[in-house]
Amino acid sequence: DAGITQSPRHKVTETGTPVTLRCHQTENHRYMYWYRQDPGHGLRLIHYSYGVKDTDKGEVSDGYSVSRSKTEDFLLTLESATSSQTSVYFCAISGTGRTGELFFGEGSRLTVL
Amino acid sequence: KQEVTQIPAALSVPEGENLVLNCSFTDSAIYNLQWFRQDPGKGLTSLLLIQSSQREQTSGRLNASLDKSSGRSTLYIAASQPGDSATYLCAVEGGSEKLVFGKGTKLTVNP
Repeated sequence: DAGITQSPRHKVTETGTPVTLRCHQTENHRYMYWYRQDPGHGLRLIHYSYGVKDTDKGEVSDGYSVSRSKTEDFLLTLESATSSQTSVYFCAISGTGRTGELFFGEGSRLTVL
Repeated sequence: KQEVTQIPAALSVPEGENLVLNCSFTDSAIYNLQWFRQDPGKGLTSLLLIQSSQREQTSGRLNASLDKSSGRSTLYIAASQPGDSATYLCAVEGGSEKLVFGKGTKLTVNP
């Protein structure tokens, strides 16, 4: 299994509070991604990174920010959580980006009350 | 904008049956197509990756085909087992987009 660890795995928070999800990889892969998975919508890309300090927006980036200061860590921040951000968040990594196989973490379930 | 559709949304079969899962996409200008498996409460596991220049890939009892011109891919599972029960997702990558996922087919294999 690819070495991907997401933390926390479960979190319950209140509307308006900041939340940070962490993705840590031990594979030294260049590309890292944050997805959210919701019933009826499937998996949607939030943000991705193609190197340290190099990030870009995905399909559903509003309300989210990311940072990547080290190859192994990719942080997803909800500055002020809303109920619509209740979801399961998945981190994924790829060694080669385009045309490359994608490996996923176990997911972080976030509930915003 | 690329759209990926998987039909049916759910499928139930008896153990031992050969089955086909379908994936269709609207823009044929893709770099690759991947099939994933997702077990309840778990992340996705990559099953097969087909590059745009390839027509099929095989891994054990799984065979995935790709027909870019018609915008279709199929995942063939031979001699299905209860352990194959999971949700199967396909995803395509092309143009300036990253992977676009279908909503998946939930497969149940009954003993």
